[in-house]
Amino acid sequence: GAVVSQHPSWVICKSGTSVKIECRSLDFQATTMFWYRQFPKQSLMLMATSNEGSKATYEQGVEKDKFLINHASLTLSTLTVTSAHPEDSSFYICSAPDGDRLNTEAFFGQGTRLTVV
Amino acid sequence: QKEVEQDPGPLSVPEGAIVSLNCTYSNSAFQYFMWYRQYSRKGPELLMYTYSSGNKEDGRFTAQVDKSSKYISLFIRDSQPSDSATYLCAMMAGGGNKLTFGTGTQLKVEL
Repeated sequence: GAVVSQHPSWVICKSGTSVKIECRSLDFQATTMFWYRQFPKQSLMLMATSNEGSKATYEQGVEKDKFLINHASLTLSTLTVTSAHPEDSSFYICSAPDGDRLNTEAFFGQGTRLTVV
Repeated sequence: QKEVEQDPGPLSVPEGAIVSLNCTYSNSAFQYFMWYRQYSRKGPELLMYTYSSGNKEDGRFTAQVDKSSKYISLFIRDSQPSDSATYLCAMMAGGGNKLTFGTGTQLKVEL
């Protein structure tokens, strides 16, 4: 089946530094990718929709200057957490539907656990 | 009020039991209803999705949607310890592409 690979699976960084998370669709093209954040025992919250070749669409309350999204190709989207702070510590997950398929059949990456110290 | 409500559990059942997991929702625009399984520190894995009302069965899993009550269920028959995970419901409006998730129910199937 289709695979979405997310890297790194975990990262620890110092407060004030930036962290880049990659999301790759390995065997299909993804014109759209989604970035979520999940706090312990809470739901996945959509942060932004990443569109290949155009600007990302951010959800209300998500700072676009803090969470930079780049979708430079049909198989890669990146999320950069800039000037990270301890409150940014969370589980970040990307997903992508295969081509023109509805998001009902999206494939999820394995997630990235970010810890900011 | 959250758009999607799901009891976080934990729910503990003996091996072989029938498990019933549920979500309620408030947005009548939701047309697509999904169930995901998420193991600890992993991304969600799609189990089933249903369009509009009705039932759908896949092996030991049955999904039910009652749009009139804004209530969806996932039944797991002959539950196994390997079914121990967090089960998330998710919903999407017709014509949209954004998923709205429940908080997830933590299930533990004990030997």
